[in-house]
Amino acid sequence: AQSVAQPEDQVNVAEGNPLTVKCTYSVSGNPYLFWYVQYPNRGLQFLLKYITGDNLVKGSYGFEAEFNKSQTSFHLKKPSALVSDSALYFCAVRASSGNTPLVFGKGTRLSVIA
Amino acid sequence: GAVVSQHPSWVICKSGTSVKIECRSLDFQATTMFWYRQFPKQSLMLMATSNEGSKATYEQGVEKDKFLINHASLTLSTLTVTSAHPEDSSFYICSASEMGRNQPQHFGDGTRLSIL
Repeated sequence: AQSVAQPEDQVNVAEGNPLTVKCTYSVSGNPYLFWYVQYPNRGLQFLLKYITGDNLVKGSYGFEAEFNKSQTSFHLKKPSALVSDSALYFCAVRASSGNTPLVFGKGTRLSVIA
Repeated sequence: GAVVSQHPSWVICKSGTSVKIECRSLDFQATTMFWYRQFPKQSLMLMATSNEGSKATYEQGVEKDKFLINHASLTLSTLTVTSAHPEDSSFYICSASEMGRNQPQHFGDGTRLSIL
């Protein structure tokens, strides 16, 4: 069975500084990895995905993530954080290319301080 | 981009009431939709997989008779919380993905259900 770990409940970063939100995964076979963001009382918004190809994936709002197979990690990054990036971030994985449900991490709350 | 619409966004009702939540894919067809439940400050818990034209697949521990799912068309799935009680109060979110390989799931904005 697949699983996702987000080791940090909360990440605080100053505006303009780079940010990293960590994610590690466990899956049999090739992983299909996703990052989503959730604002208060809203659903999840898709940021980016890794299926195959380049290990560095670029997504929405200036976010990117790096797939590291040896470390089974898929950390989310952004070179310069904005206050508006403050939200709840979820990493997710599924073990196949089919329309199967995602398995989510517990989420990491990002606070960007002006 | 693909849009999933969920309605209503907020429901407050008395204990014993049944509540229906709609999930629509607005600009794409979805043979499969997913229903999640989210508790405060927690992750999403998959409740069931909704399949167009057939019975939903429920996750272990989710009561089929309590959470009725109907997926009558390629753009609409409904979740009915029957005889709701305060412990059913939660944030319910649906998702769907476009047909094809490796498509991301797109989420509705969720429904906050409060049972008094």
